[in-house]
Amino acid sequence: DVKVTQSSRYLVKRTGEKVFLECVQDMDHENMFWYRQDPGLGLRLIYFSYDVKMKEKGDIPEGYSVSREKKERFSLILESASTNQTSMYLCASSSWRVATNEKLFFGSGTQLSVL
Amino acid sequence: SQELEQSPQSLIVQEGKNLTINCTSSKTLYGLYWYKQKYGEGLIFLMMLQKGGEEKSHEKITAKLDEKKQQSSLHITASQPSHAGIYLCGADRTNTNAGKSTFGDGTTLTVKP
Repeated sequence: DVKVTQSSRYLVKRTGEKVFLECVQDMDHENMFWYRQDPGLGLRLIYFSYDVKMKEKGDIPEGYSVSREKKERFSLILESASTNQTSMYLCASSSWRVATNEKLFFGSGTQLSVL
Repeated sequence: SQELEQSPQSLIVQEGKNLTINCTSSKTLYGLYWYKQKYGEGLIFLMMLQKGGEEKSHEKITAKLDEKKQQSSLHITASQPSHAGIYLCGADRTNTNAGKSTFGDGTTLTVKP
């Protein structure tokens, strides 16, 4: 089974701190995504990556950056955390190569609170 | 504005009752996915629909995609407390196998024993 692992389930940070959210997948997927989920707004795409060292902005990239130095790992960085970045963050991965019904494989999520 | 509209936003049903959740798009959908999410957790894949008129079932859950591929419904028969959670529909933004999806807001389902 595909496994997408997010490093923390719950995280509490202070305003202005630099925050790293880590995501690792073990199925050699080319594509990785970061979403945030907020009540009433659904899931919104922050950044995605189709290859190592490659990144593209999603719908709401402001205040975030990403890093993909290795194929299996996709990191989301909040350079200076703000209270409006309090949210549930979901990492997902997918593959171009594999014909599967399940397009996106999700991690368990990280609930980030910025105080 | 949301590309995918889900209705209702929330639903409370008595155990054993049937229910339907809808997902509507103003654009033709290349692929439509249904996910279930337990509170505070990640999304679990339920079903994918690609062809107009397609219908899939798994246990007591049936999903349909209309002929125009702009609306999907998720129907649960004889609901149980284990069905409780947030149901989200997602759709491919393009016809490639990219996995770059857009999602509805979700429908929160509560099943009363």
